[in-house]
Amino acid sequence: QVQLQQSGPGLVKPSQTLSLTCAISGDSVSSNSAAWSWIRQSPSRGLEWLGRTYFRSKWHYDYAVSVKSRVTINPDTSKNQFSLQLNSVTPDDTAVYYCARVRGGGFGNLFYYFDYWGQGTLVTVSS
Amino acid sequence: DIQMTQSPSSLSASVGDRVTITCRASQAISSYVNWYQQDPGKAPKVLIYAASNLQSGVPSRFSGSGYGTDFTLTISSLQPEDSATFYCQQSYTTPWTFGQGTKVEIK
Repeated sequence: QVQLQQSGPGLVKPSQTLSLTCAISGDSVSSNSAAWSWIRQSPSRGLEWLGRTYFRSKWHYDYAVSVKSRVTINPDTSKNQFSLQLNSVTPDDTAVYYCARVRGGGFGNLFYYFDYWGQGTLVTVSS
Repeated sequence: DIQMTQSPSSLSASVGDRVTITCRASQAISSYVNWYQQDPGKAPKVLIYAASNLQSGVPSRFSGSGYGTDFTLTISSLQPEDSATFYCQQSYTTPWTFGQGTKVEIK
């Protein structure tokens, strides 16, 4: 059974960096058949995919344009986890942040979906 | 970005009713649609992937259909535990995007 356990602060000051970690059990961050994503949810933005990382002979990274200049997702193979860093936060970044595993299904396993999620972390940006 | 538009935004139905939620994509996306159920305070849970494939462990009263731009999630016989918010999501191209949600309430 795959489990994703999130950790990180729930309060971040404006202009600072939001940092969250997602510890993986039951799978490997280096898996050749999974990707690892961060998603956030707020009343104003709904569910918003932030980006993903995955290993296919080398590490790949893919970010949403809306946060691309501020976001980094990093795998940590020694601890079997991955992290989210979002720089220069504003109150608009206040949201519940989720990590999630991405799997492929359907024909050719090319239909990707989020099959396991972390428990969510409410991050408030406020001074 | 591909916009996913769900309707209705909310509905109220009785136990045993057949419930249909629709999702329209802003461009053709083949069968690259997934459906999720989210209970209050919880993470979303996948119900259907690739438009019509039932995720393992999900009750068979849930089904999905559609292709191109128009997709449907159907609950064949609504149960009390189905009171939740449902989301569609496209995985045709990044950035992967979600619909705004449909809140289902039990009368």
